Amino acid sequence: DVKVTQSSRYLVKRTGEKVFLECVQDMDHENMFWYRQDPGLGLRLIYFSYDVKMKEKGDIPEGYSVSREKKERFSLILESASTNQTSMYLCASSTGQPGNTIYFGEGSWLTVV
Amino acid sequence: EDQVTQSPEALRLQEGESSSLNCSYTVSGLRGLFWYRQDPGKGPEFLFTLYSAGEEKEKERLKATLTKKESFLHITAPKPEDSATYLCAVQAISGNTPLVFGKGTRLSVIA
Repeated sequence: DVKVTQSSRYLVKRTGEKVFLECVQDMDHENMFWYRQDPGLGLRLIYFSYDVKMKEKGDIPEGYSVSREKKERFSLILESASTNQTSMYLCASSTGQPGNTIYFGEGSWLTVV
Repeated sequence: EDQVTQSPEALRLQEGESSSLNCSYTVSGLRGLFWYRQDPGKGPEFLFTLYSAGEEKEKERLKATLTKKESFLHITAPKPEDSATYLCAVQAISGNTPLVFGKGTRLSVIA
């Protein structure tokens, strides 16, 4: 079974803090993704990566950055957290073959106070 | 621009009352259409992928169908444990592009 593991399920951070959300997958997938999910807005793509050290902006990259130093690990970074970044963050991965399934982690609930 | 619209936003069914969820899409060439189930507070769980019009897939009480403009997720004789949000997503045929998701249908099945 594919396993996408997000290191923190629940976090509470203060405004202005630097926040790291970590994601690891165990299926040697080429592609990795970070989404945020908010009520009424659905899933929105923040960043994605097709290979190590590669990154592409999604629909809402402002205020976020990412790092992919190893194939299995994809980190989302909030340089200076703000209250409007309070959300559920979902990491996902897939093979590099177009049309293949994307598998999601369990999500990280981030509250910025 | 690729778009996915799901309807209804919410659906309340009695146990055993069959119904269908709709996913309408606009995409510049469809590579695949994906259905996911999401329980509250959890990540989406993969259900089906459909690749071409006329294709159908089934899993327990769920059956997904695909036309050139929309997909339906038919739920036959639902049970309370089928209560969840169902998400539809499409991938365009141009390259290895990310999925575009709809906002989901929140299904409640009442015993």
